[in-house]
Amino acid sequence: DAKTTQPPSMDCAEGRAANLPCNHSTISGNEYVYWYRQIHSQGPQYIIHGLKNNETNEMASLIITEDRKSSTLILPHATLRDTAVYYCIVRASTDSWGKLQFGAGTQVVVTP
Amino acid sequence: SAVISQKPSRDICQRGTSLTIQCQVDSQVTMMFWYRQQPGQSLTLIATANQGSEATYESGFVIDKFPISRPNLTFSTLTVSNMSPEDSSIYLCSFRGTGTKNEQFFGPGTRLTVL
Repeated sequence: DAKTTQPPSMDCAEGRAANLPCNHSTISGNEYVYWYRQIHSQGPQYIIHGLKNNETNEMASLIITEDRKSSTLILPHATLRDTAVYYCIVRASTDSWGKLQFGAGTQVVVTP
Repeated sequence: SAVISQKPSRDICQRGTSLTIQCQVDSQVTMMFWYRQQPGQSLTLIATANQGSEATYESGFVIDKFPISRPNLTFSTLTVSNMSPEDSSIYLCSFRGTGTKNEQFFGPGTRLTVL
């Protein structure tokens, strides 16, 4: 699986949009971009994933560049409960086992 | 979505002893995974547990240290053997959902402290 690079930390004001970047310049054509988050003292939680099109769900939006070498997770209106470590993970669609390889992630702190 | 639980939620153990962590899912799942999260670190995959076969371990992890059982499609155990303080970590189990998202669901974790 391709390696991802994320900033170690980000601060965001409550109510504002949080834009979390991820670099995956070695991504292959059959690899998806997945985002998970881990709130303190909890297990990771799935947020969203995509292949090449932008995606949106009730939690967030995922913007993938046309060359697929980077992506941005957008939390449209950050709340204090969004304070967590956010992980960007690249995984091949052919990986039937489904195991995930976590990087260091981005610690997001949402402040009042 | 399925519910996944772990027992114990936390424990404090003496070095040289072993601890078995249980993971229960409320529906049948094919693959289960065990992860370790050392203090202040990200998650590291220990092994993949498939029902009816031996677990597959990642580089740096061996069966003698982390034996895993998978007796049925809803249950798995991870044993941390002959513990040392370096084994102090959070241990998490997970499984892959069957929907089109291919998302993984994680248990709440077991916080282990070895003295």
